[in-house]
Amino acid sequence: RKEVEQDPGPFNVPEGATVAFNCTYSNSASQSFFWYRQDCRKEPKLLMSVYSSGNEDGRFTAQLNRASQYISLLIRDSKLSDSATYLCVVTQGSGGSNYKLTFGKGTLLTVNP
Amino acid sequence: GAGVSQSPSNKVTEKGKDVELRCDPISGHTALYWYRQSLGQGLEFLIYFQGNSAPDKSGLPSDRFSAERTGGSVSTLTIQRTQQEDSAVYLCASSRSGSGETQYFGPGTRLLVL
Repeated sequence: RKEVEQDPGPFNVPEGATVAFNCTYSNSASQSFFWYRQDCRKEPKLLMSVYSSGNEDGRFTAQLNRASQYISLLIRDSKLSDSATYLCVVTQGSGGSNYKLTFGKGTLLTVNP
Repeated sequence: GAGVSQSPSNKVTEKGKDVELRCDPISGHTALYWYRQSLGQGLEFLIYFQGNSAPDKSGLPSDRFSAERTGGSVSTLTIQRTQQEDSAVYLCASSRSGSGETQYFGPGTRLLVL
């Protein structure tokens, strides 16, 4: 089983659509969870951290289910500017080793006018 | 404020040559990381620095790869005797501390080994 697995995509959606990305991770000791976005030929940028209670930032909602080792990202009312690759990221371990990021391969989203 | 900077932005080299990639982290960040992103692959961890020490070098793919950090700031990743499979984007990131903190990435160095 891969350490972090994401929907393979690509996702092509019209403006205004709601789109959901799913991710599973294999290391039950992982403590920190993130969604990053990466634009073409650019560096990854943090979109949001993911907390057990779930968290929302404007049109973006992230959920974490530790029991199922599952993370999700929901984008509502998608915009053209949301077009990017979305990376599911978890840390390798707990405590002092909670620094090593493990990335999924990413899901490409294209929002069409 | 200034983000993570890396140089060069692009590097083309011949197989067998050595290359040095530089990373300038965000001022005050004690933790620094190197990652590699190969075509069609996810980002993979290479090495982690806390201050000038590298407590985790587990991701370095071979002994041709080495890295150092001086003054708790700038880091250099060196690849000796480059091979074509070393072609990738090398990304540096930094964070305030090393444990679960947000990592901020630089723009990367695109390395092409001919």
